[in-house]
Amino acid sequence: NAGVTQTPKFQVLKTGQSMTLQCAQDMNHEYMSWYRQDPGMGLRLIHYSVGAGITDQGEVPNGYNVSRSTTEDFPLRLLSAAPSQTSVYFCASSYSGSGAEETQYFGPGTRLLVL
Amino acid sequence: AQSVAQPEDQVNVAEGNPLTVKCTYSVSGNPYLFWYVQYPNRGLQFLLKYITGDNLVKGSYGFEAEFNKSQTSFHLKKPSALVSDSALYFCAVRDTPLTGANHLFFGTGTRLTVIP
Repeated sequence: NAGVTQTPKFQVLKTGQSMTLQCAQDMNHEYMSWYRQDPGMGLRLIHYSVGAGITDQGEVPNGYNVSRSTTEDFPLRLLSAAPSQTSVYFCASSYSGSGAEETQYFGPGTRLLVL
Repeated sequence: AQSVAQPEDQVNVAEGNPLTVKCTYSVSGNPYLFWYVQYPNRGLQFLLKYITGDNLVKGSYGFEAEFNKSQTSFHLKKPSALVSDSALYFCAVRDTPLTGANHLFFGTGTRLTVIP
């Protein structure tokens, strides 16, 4: 198993540009999520999905879109990048349902710099 | 609402000494508590979790954590620190699930430095 994979590892954007951060998992997990990590703020939830075709907003969703067409993939889209979106982005996945105890597994992260 | 507090931004400990990284939480129902570790330029790695049962939870790399319901704490501990334990540690919590949504609420992290 590759686990949770993310691409790219690093990206530089100009303000106003768009891009998609890719996330894939091969563990057949229903639940997938995107977090951003900023210094002194820990990780904050952007969007999440409990299964294909189902997505919902987290704590900091503004400026980001997601979709979940397959169980494996959960891309995060920045429609018009802003310097405030400079951050490290992590994708995570786990089993869902009643499994609150289920462990989330994280990808290696994407470091994004918006100029 | 769920929340987690890690009161120490930085913890320094000498190699071979015991270490403690503190975490307190707030949830409305039964807490599900997790510790993750992040090494430089890496993703988060799962260390251990408390769901129910024994208050002392043992995890990876010799780490353990003690759940204390009366003090709403879940401190991470290790009897003898290694230089390789130096990393950023995150405590996380989630409340009793209603919808199967499994997202976590994280603390701000504690940077552990083990001094040779």
